[in-house]
Amino acid sequence: EAQVTQNPRYLITVTGKKLTVTCSQNMNHEYMSWYRQDPGLGLRQIYYSMNVEVTDKGDVPEGYKVSRKEKRNFPLILESPSPNQTSLYFCASSGSLPPSTTLQETQYFGPGTRLLVL
Amino acid sequence: GQQLNQSPQSMFIQEGEDVSMNCTSSSIFNTWLWYKQEPGEGPVLLIALYKAGELTSNGRLTAQFGITRKDSFLNISASIPSDVGIYFCAGHSGNTPLVFGKGTRLSVIA
Repeated sequence: EAQVTQNPRYLITVTGKKLTVTCSQNMNHEYMSWYRQDPGLGLRQIYYSMNVEVTDKGDVPEGYKVSRKEKRNFPLILESPSPNQTSLYFCASSGSLPPSTTLQETQYFGPGTRLLVL
Repeated sequence: GQQLNQSPQSMFIQEGEDVSMNCTSSSIFNTWLWYKQEPGEGPVLLIALYKAGELTSNGRLTAQFGITRKDSFLNISASIPSDVGIYFCAGHSGNTPLVFGKGTRLSVIA
């Protein structure tokens, strides 16, 4: 079954304690990205990756890091979490629909990780 | 950066009614996408649009890519309770990241 998985699904942590949210896809997609979803603000992109070892900042990258050492994995790292990073996080990966245009179509989203930073 | 205005923010409708929502952009897009998000889950792609003027259907859902390339709308006909959720538009041009609207929360009263 084609899917994007994230772990953990729920996480409560304290300010300053480093954490990593993992993301993995089994569709051999080249494009992966991270979003945060906040009430009234919709989905905002944090980082994205067009391929292995290629990552770029999205709209709200401050306070986050990512890595793309393998095609299937795209972990999100919070080196020193703060309360304003309390949010719902989604990982996504993309293939392409016919007719193929760019890699960003048909983004498949993971189930989400709800993070609370105290 | 690019911004998407999605309206309405929320809708309460009777089962069986038709629904219409739309998105407008401050700049031209090459692609419009419509997603639905149900509680506790990630957004799921409903319809993808690639050409200005394109009209595409997926069951009871119909979406159109505006002629100006700055807008798109989504219609749902004969709504049913399982249509409840948040609907997002998204778009991009070239290789820029996807930009999402803030969503339309749909509630269906049986």
